[in-house]
Order: sequence, then structure tokens, then C-alpha cells
Amino acid sequence: AQKITQTQPGMFVQEKEAVTLDCTYDTSDPSYGLFWYKQPSSGEMIFLIYQGSYDQQNATEGRYSLNFQKARKSANLVISASQLGDSAMYFCAMRAPGSNYKLTFGKGTLLTVNP
Amino acid sequence: SQTIHQWPATLVQPVGSPLSLECTVEGTSNPNLYWYRQAAGRGLQLLFYSIGIDQISSEVPQNLSASRPQDRQFILSSKKLLLSDSGFYLCACQGLTLNTEAFFGQGTRLTVV
Repeated sequence: AQKITQTQPGMFVQEKEAVTLDCTYDTSDPSYGLFWYKQPSSGEMIFLIYQGSYDQQNATEGRYSLNFQKARKSANLVISASQLGDSAMYFCAMRAPGSNYKLTFGKGTLLTVNP
Repeated sequence: SQTIHQWPATLVQPVGSPLSLECTVEGTSNPNLYWYRQAAGRGLQLLFYSIGIDQISSEVPQNLSASRPQDRQFILSSKKLLLSDSGFYLCACQGLTLNTEAFFGQGTRLTVV
């Protein structure tokens, strides 16, 4: 079975500062994929970034980067230069062949960006 | 690219009434399909997962059921709603390779009264 843990129910950050959202995972599959999604108050789910278990480099997409530490089974999301529009729920998720490629989510972190 | 159509956007139903939420997918074939439920301010709970027509796994015991009558159609149903069925329901689809992102519908906010 696979499991995603996000231990920060809420985080606050000042505008223009960087913030790290934590995510740890557990799986027995050697091959797996890790995803981060953003959910604004409107409810839509927005895909941010993907990291594969065999990727040598940490994934980056604009202001988003993923700090992937495979031995520690962590996949933290780093948002640089926070903007007011970054205020939202953030979810970490994973899928793996051993779980029939099901996409499983963590409980999320509510990020608030203060002006 | 893939598009998920999910309706209705909001729904208010009395306890004991039936439910039918429909989700259709465009732009892909043979996708993995999901139904998630989200309580206010909480995470996404996986309800049903389908890898093909009539191939559906239920993740949590409840009074909900799901059907996939066509490759790109996924339906969530209940014969008798409970107050605890209130929440935000999201349909999602995802390709078969490990690195494909999931695409989500706009969600249905269900309030059982």
C-alpha cells in the first residue's frame, strides 16, 4: 500500500519570500511518480509539478521546484518569491504500479501568503 | 488535451433521495477514472477507481456506487443519501503511464439537507 503524509495543516509566508511545503511518502514499489497540485478556494485542481522516482534531477517548473530526497522518502515543494495568488491548498500525491497506478493524495497544506 | 465535464456544479438534496453525478472525458481513450470526495478544508478521499469499462474498485465502504457504462463516462450514484454524503465531489482522469498528470473536473458541491 502507498501512503502520503503532509504534516503541515497550515503555513504562512510573507509575499516575495520562499516557502517549503513538506511531503513524505511510503511505497514498496521501486518505480513511482510524485505530483503536487494546487487547489484555490474555487475548488479546481491545478497540476504544478511532477517527479519520477528514477529522475536524477529535481523537477522545476517556473517558481516551483521539488526537493526530492529519495532515501528519506520526501518530496517537498518549494515555492520561490511567493505571490498573493499562491494562497491555496496544496496537495502532494503519488502513484505506483503496485497500487494499480491509483493516484493517492495527502491531506494537504493550506498556504496563506501575507502582503 | 484532455477535458473533463462534470455536472452539476452544485446540488442540494434531501436525506434519503437518490443521487447521480456524471463525468465525461474528452481527448483521450481508455483513461483511468477516479471519483474523489473532499470535506470542507480537508484532503481528497478516493471513493472509486476504474481502469476500464465495468472495472471499478471501491476504496471505502459507503452507500455510494459507481458505474462506467462507456470508456469515457463515469457515474457516481446513491439510492438514498445520508447527511454524511455532503461534500465536494471531484472526477478525475489520468493516462496509463506513470508520469501523466491527472486532469480534474470542476467539481460538484453536494449538500444533503
